[in-house]
Amino acid sequence: DGGITQSPKYLFRKEGQNVTLSCEQNLNHDAMYWYRQDPGQGLRLIYYSQIVNDFQKGDIAEGYSVSREKKESFPLTVTSAQKNPTAFYLCASSPRQGPGDQPQHFGDGTRLSIL
Amino acid sequence: GESVGLHLPTLSVQEGDNSIINCAYSNSASDYFIWYKQESGKGPQFIIDIRSNMDKRQGQRVTVLLNKTVKHLSLQIAATQPGDSAVYFCAENSPGGNTGKLIFGQGTTLQVKP
Repeated sequence: DGGITQSPKYLFRKEGQNVTLSCEQNLNHDAMYWYRQDPGQGLRLIYYSQIVNDFQKGDIAEGYSVSREKKESFPLTVTSAQKNPTAFYLCASSPRQGPGDQPQHFGDGTRLSIL
Repeated sequence: GESVGLHLPTLSVQEGDNSIINCAYSNSASDYFIWYKQESGKGPQFIIDIRSNMDKRQGQRVTVLLNKTVKHLSLQIAATQPGDSAVYFCAENSPGGNTGKLIFGQGTTLQVKP
């Protein structure tokens, strides 16, 4: 089945450590997105990419980095500069935006916690 | 600034009743709206969408209503079932630039009582 796969499902980070969250999609979508969700809150956009080798900062990009070397992959690195990384991280994708918008499709998330 | 919010954080309904979840948006330039359902520990699941040139759209057991005059969006679920229990988010597109960015509300928790 086509879809978005995020891994790992649970991740623990030590102080001063960088960790990378994986996001892979086989939907042949051009655009991919990373969101952060805190308990009882909506989703906040971290980074997004509309095409391979290009990406833009979202609303809360500080302390995060991304790459988009392949169409199907959009990994997110949570760096040691992110002082409050504990959250549920969601990856999404959508077809390249055209005259009409299309909904984003989500993976099942990675829950990141601090050790 | 731009914001999307829901009127009630929690909605409790009896199984079999109809549910109505409301959402207010602030940007009159937004022209695309989506409802998502999120179950515990999972990612949001697309339910239904509507564009600003429509005021109503129906799916299977769900209806979305859009009132552009008062910038209000609602999701109606008919004959609510226990499997409908989840958090529901509305989202609007971020107008301008054709980026595909969405702005999400904080969500309404729907509890279905047997």
